[in-house]
Amino acid sequence: EVRLLESGGGLGQPAGSLRLTCAASGFIFANYAMCWVRQAPGKGLEMVSGVSSGNRIYYADSVKGRFTISRDNDKSTLSLQMNSLTAEDTAVYYCAKSRAAVFSGLDAWGQGTTVTVSS
Amino acid sequence: DIQMTQSPSSLSASVGDRVTITCRASQTTTTYLNWYQQKPGRAPKLLIFAASSLQSGVPSRFSGSGSGTDFTLTISSLQSEDFATYYCQQTSSTPFTFGPGTRVDIK
Repeated sequence: EVRLLESGGGLGQPAGSLRLTCAASGFIFANYAMCWVRQAPGKGLEMVSGVSSGNRIYYADSVKGRFTISRDNDKSTLSLQMNSLTAEDTAVYYCAKSRAAVFSGLDAWGQGTTVTVSS
Repeated sequence: DIQMTQSPSSLSASVGDRVTITCRASQTTTTYLNWYQQKPGRAPKLLIFAASSLQSGVPSRFSGSGSGTDFTLTISSLQSEDFATYYCQQTSSTPFTFGPGTRVDIK
């Protein structure tokens, strides 16, 4: 069974930093693209970052230069380092698995971790 | 950037109804188009990938069609568990954008 478990959410200070981690199991992690998708309260979905199995990296314009995605295939973990946080980064952050080595439909999702940016 | 729109933004329907949701892209995505279902407080669930391919485990009452810029998600006979919000997403080119969602609720 594919499982994705996010951690690291919580209260962040404006201009501060948080690091999200996703622990994956039940599939060969190295073979699939992985993504972070967020959903602000009452809003739609935004793919903020992703990394293919070949390490092609994607960032949404809204986070470019502030967020850094990384993957550790040996530990089957995906991380998102979030710096220079703003109130607009407040959202539920989901770790999601692509159904392919490249960016494609996201066929498995974690339960989400909540990030709140506030002083 | 490819902008995604969905229509309607919401609809009310009854169990057993045939429901059609439309997604339009501002430029061609060929068939790099996915559909998701999201229920309140839950993570999204992939229903359809590559415009018309049914994800494993998804009931056959869900179907997708289209190519280029115009796509459709159809639920052939709405069931009580289908009341949710539906999103399309293009993975043709970055940024990989989602549509704004279509909420399906009970009439």
